[in-house]
Amino acid sequence: DQQVKQNSPSLSVQEGRISILNCDYTNSMFDYFLWYKKYPAEGPTFLISISSIKDKNEDGRFTVFLNKSAKHLSLHIVPSQPGDSAVYFCAASVASGTYKYIFGTGTRLKVLA
Amino acid sequence: ETGVTQSPTHLIKTRGQQVTLRCSSQSGHNTVSWYQQALGQGPQFIFQYYREEENGRGNFPPRFSGLQFPNYSSELNVNALELDDSALYLCASSLGGLAGVGETQYFGPGTRLLVL
Repeated sequence: DQQVKQNSPSLSVQEGRISILNCDYTNSMFDYFLWYKKYPAEGPTFLISISSIKDKNEDGRFTVFLNKSAKHLSLHIVPSQPGDSAVYFCAASVASGTYKYIFGTGTRLKVLA
Repeated sequence: ETGVTQSPTHLIKTRGQQVTLRCSSQSGHNTVSWYQQALGQGPQFIFQYYREEENGRGNFPPRFSGLQFPNYSSELNVNALELDDSALYLCASSLGGLAGVGETQYFGPGTRLLVL
C-alpha cells in the first residue's frame, strides 16, 4: 500500500524554466510534508517543508504547495538550474508519536542547459 | 553539511553473516531514524530511537535491531543477512521531543551494503 506516490519517474526541463514536481498521498492523518533532493552516492538533502495548517511555503527558488482536499502537494523550482538535476523525494509524516517519514519513489529531474 | 556521518561507506557481506552499521548524529539531536533504500525506491522506515529507547518500528523483522548511545552515535545491526538486504542504509537525526510539531530529519550519506 503506497501511501505516498510520485507518479512521474522522470522530468526534463530547460534551464531557466519552471520545474513542477508532484506528489499524492492517501493518508489523511499526514500533517507534515517535506521535499528532499538526492544526488548519486549522497544522502537526501532537505529542501523545504510544509505543515498542514498552510497551503504554501516559499524558500528562495523553491515553493511547495499543499492541497489538502485533493491530498496533493507540488514543488515548484523557478528558475530551474542545471545543478538542480537530481532525484526529488516527497515525504509525509504525522506530527505526533513516531516521526517516521513515508517517502514516495522519487522523480528524476534533468535540467537541460 | 548536515553533520550526520555514517560508516562504512560501502560494505560487502555474504548471506547468513551479521553486519553493524554506524551513525553519528548532529550534536543535540535526540532522535535517530534508520531507513533502507532499495534501488529505484524511496527510503523505507526501519526504526527510530529517542534518548536511547526505541520509539517506533517499521515493517522489518526482528533480525534488524538498533542501539543509540548518549554521545549521539547509534548502530544498526542486521543478523542472518539475506540477498534482499542489499540496499543503501540511511540514518537521519532530528531534535526530537516536540510532540505535535513537524520535525525535519537530516540524513547522512548512507552505507551501501551488498549481500552476496
